[in-house]
Amino acid sequence: DAGITQSPRHKVTETGTPVTLRCHQTENHRYMYWYRQDPGHGLRLIHYSYGVKDTDKGEVSDGYSVSRSKTEDFLLTLESATSSQTSVYFCATAPGMWGEKLFFGSGTQLSVL
Amino acid sequence: AQKVTQAQTEISVVEKEDVTLDCVYETRDTTYYLFWYKQPPSGELVFLIRRNSFDEQNEISGRYSWNFQKSTSSFNFTITASQVVDSAVYFCALSTTQGGSEKLVFGKGTKLTVNP
Repeated sequence: DAGITQSPRHKVTETGTPVTLRCHQTENHRYMYWYRQDPGHGLRLIHYSYGVKDTDKGEVSDGYSVSRSKTEDFLLTLESATSSQTSVYFCATAPGMWGEKLFFGSGTQLSVL
Repeated sequence: AQKVTQAQTEISVVEKEDVTLDCVYETRDTTYYLFWYKQPPSGELVFLIRRNSFDEQNEISGRYSWNFQKSTSSFNFTITASQVVDSAVYFCALSTTQGGSEKLVFGKGTKLTVNP
């Protein structure tokens, strides 16, 4: 299995505070993704990266920003957390070729009160 | 725009029953990939299968089989003789390269419960 570590695994925060989630991979995969999973919505793409400092928006990117300064790390920041951002966040990676399967991290349960 | 529809939100079966999970996709691309992922109650997402748009052969892996039909834009997943361990949420996904960048879209998932 690909070595993908998400931290923290659980977080409770208050509305209006900034939050950063970290995804670390040891597989040297080029592509990295952040998804959120909500009941009734499945998995929705927030942002993705196709290389160091190369990122792009997904379908639900409002209120989120990302950074990738190293191949192995992909950070997701909630600039000012809102209750609607309470969700399970998954990081995923892929080697780089289009159509490759994704390797997922274990997820981060975020609760915004 | 590409879209994946998993019309069955939840399915409940009794052990040893066969069950089919439906997946219908929409895309204008002629080249694309389809995937199935499994999410057991523990929460991790596990890759099951990938199929490209040029390969319409059905796939069988043990008790699992997949039926890809381009004519109906469907990529259905059948579990034969279901077991309790098959209880999970199953996601179908579509990967295309619209606009020159890769787009991966997931369906909303089907929750399968296999009762003993």
